[in-house]
Amino acid sequence: QVQLQESGPGLVKPSETLSLTCSVSGGSIHGYYWSWIRQPPGKGLEWIGNFYYTGSTNFSPSLQSRIAITGDTSKNQFSLRLRSVTAADTAVYYCARLTRGNNGYSLGLDYWGQGSLVTVSS
Amino acid sequence: DLQMTQSPSSVSASVGDRVIITCRASQSISNWLAWYQQKPGKAPKLLIYAASTLQSGVPSRFSGSGSGTDFTLTISSLQPEDFATYYCQQTTIFPPIFGGGSKVEI
Repeated sequence: QVQLQESGPGLVKPSETLSLTCSVSGGSIHGYYWSWIRQPPGKGLEWIGNFYYTGSTNFSPSLQSRIAITGDTSKNQFSLRLRSVTAADTAVYYCARLTRGNNGYSLGLDYWGQGSLVTVSS
Repeated sequence: DLQMTQSPSSVSASVGDRVIITCRASQSISNWLAWYQQKPGKAPKLLIYAASTLQSGVPSRFSGSGSGTDFTLTISSLQPEDFATYYCQQTTIFPPIFGGGSKVEI
């Protein structure tokens, strides 16, 4: 059973960088796309970006100027960095695995971490 | 930009009721739509992908239909554990955005 676990500081100061790591167990990050999604308190889900085990990435257009997603295959982890945060970046951040069909089309996010609340405040 | 609109945003229902949630895309996404269930304080759970394929382990009272721009999630007989918020997500056009959510409550 694949399990994901987010880790990182729960409090970040405005203008600083949010950093989170997703540790994957019960399966390898090889061969899959991995996603970050966030959810502001009381609001809906926002897709942040994807990471492929080869290192390729794609990001939400609204966040791409501030985002980096990297991976460490030796540790079976991938990480999110979001620069210059403001209060609007306060959210529960989830990592998840993207499942794809045999034809390569994306099907959905089938495994999720429990989420990590990050609050941006001085 | 592609928009995903869910309705209703909330619905009051009782155990045993049939509940239908709709998701409309602002342009055609073929059948590339996923549905998720989220309970308070928990991560979303994938229920349905490719508009109508039930994820492994999901009860058969959940079903999905639609293609193009209009999709539905149906719960045939609502159970106590089904009270939650449901989200659709299109998975074919970048970025893979979610709908705004539909809360099913008593």
